[in-house]
Amino acid sequence: DTEVTQTPKHLVMGMTNKKSLKCEQHMGHRAMYWYKQKAKKPPELMFVYSYEKLSINESVPSRFSPECPNSSLLNLHLHALQPEDSALYLCASNWGAGGNYGYTFGSGTRLTVV
Amino acid sequence: GESVGLHLPTLSVQEGDNSIINCAYSNSASDYFIWYKQESGKGPQFIIDIRSNMDKRQGQRVTVLLNKTVKHLSLQIAATQPGDSAVYFCAEGQSGSARQLTFGSGTQLTVLP
Repeated sequence: DTEVTQTPKHLVMGMTNKKSLKCEQHMGHRAMYWYKQKAKKPPELMFVYSYEKLSINESVPSRFSPECPNSSLLNLHLHALQPEDSALYLCASNWGAGGNYGYTFGSGTRLTVV
Repeated sequence: GESVGLHLPTLSVQEGDNSIINCAYSNSASDYFIWYKQESGKGPQFIIDIRSNMDKRQGQRVTVLLNKTVKHLSLQIAATQPGDSAVYFCAEGQSGSARQLTFGSGTQLTVLP
C-alpha cells in the first residue's frame, strides 16, 4: 500500500458544527502532516506529528485540533469554523528523521464552511 | 515563476514540445528540493527530488536542475503530453527531525493540442 487515504473527500459544515477529517497510511511512515490549501495557492503547513507526538503547530487557531491515535492514523477535529477556513485540507506522510525525503500526499478533503 | 497577487504564473506549450518550469527558492539552508504535480481536485503528486549536493537529476521524461548560487530550480519535461497539464509546485526543505517542506507559488502548465 503506497497511498495516503483521506476521508471524507468533500465536507460542508455550518459554523456551529463539529466535524473530523481523517487520514490513514499503511506505509510505516512515522511522520504525518496536515496542510491547508486555498485556491491557486501552494499548500501551507498546519501541523506535524513525529512518532505520534505533535512536533510542530504553525500557530493554527484552536478551532483546529489535531490528533494522532496511532502511527497509521491522523485526525483533524474541526469546531466553530469560519467561512474563511474553507479550503482543501491535505494530509501527508513520510519516514521522518533519517528516512526518505519524499512526502506522499492524500487527495485531500474539500471543506466548505457555510 | 513568481506569483503576482492571486494569479498563478502560466506556461502554455504545444504537445510534443519540451517544457521548462522555473522556481526561485528562498532559504540558502535548504538541502533538498522536490517537484510536485497537482491536478485539479487532487493532492500533490511527487515527480522528482534532488539534494543540494547534486546539480542535476533525471527521471522518466523529467529533469531537475539546481543552481545553488542563484537559488534557482527548474523542471524540464520532455515531449510534453496533454496529461502533463497541471499546476507544478517546487518545494524546499531542510534535514531535520520533521522534514518540513515549504512550497513555492506554483506554475499552471497547459498543453495545447
